[in-house]
Amino acid sequence: NAGVTQTPKFRVLKTGQSMTLLCAQDMNHEYMYWYRQDPGMGLRLIHYSVGEGTTAKGEVPDGYNVSRLKKQNFLLGLESAAPSQTSVYFCASSPYKLSLGSAEAFFGQGTRLTVV
Amino acid sequence: GNSVTQMEGPVTLSEEAFLTINCTYTATGYPSLFWYVQYPGEGLQLLLKATKADDKGSNKGFEATYRKETTSFHLEKGSVQVSDSAVYFCALGASGGSYIPTFGRGTSLIVHP
Repeated sequence: NAGVTQTPKFRVLKTGQSMTLLCAQDMNHEYMYWYRQDPGMGLRLIHYSVGEGTTAKGEVPDGYNVSRLKKQNFLLGLESAAPSQTSVYFCASSPYKLSLGSAEAFFGQGTRLTVV
Repeated sequence: GNSVTQMEGPVTLSEEAFLTINCTYTATGYPSLFWYVQYPGEGLQLLLKATKADDKGSNKGFEATYRKETTSFHLEKGSVQVSDSAVYFCALGASGGSYIPTFGRGTSLIVHP
């Protein structure tokens, strides 16, 4: 069972370069999320999606863009990378449930990004 | 809005010691409560959950009870092992019209032999 797969696992970028992080889930989940994790800051939500073709801003969206053209994929883009975007990025997905709050989140293994 | 407060770490214990990690929350509605665990170099994974007041979630020797009267969901384990060393996150399921779960900041647990 693949679950949630993130690509790539590691990346080093130079300031000003662009890149796209790919998240793919094979569980037919409706909801998908992108988080960043920094020491002492916990998880901070960047963007999320409640279904194919939809996206919404989270807590720290500046400098990032997302797209969800297919239900199983959620892409996170950095148009012009900055050292402040050095972080570990996690993608997560959740299934639709009648009681939304009861759904657990399934996480990918993370992408460690360094911007120099 | 929803929020989760958990004790700051690191929590350092000797093997076979008793573990408590405190978690309190504020929430709109009655969401489920979760504990996730993150081992070094990995993503978060569900440890246990409780869906309504007075429910007890349990897994791998860990337990937590959904206490509505004290708005708490403390994580406990009677005898920790070195392999339990990880970061533990308390979380609220989405509620109050939001699609976003709420995570605490995480508590690092270090267990020494």
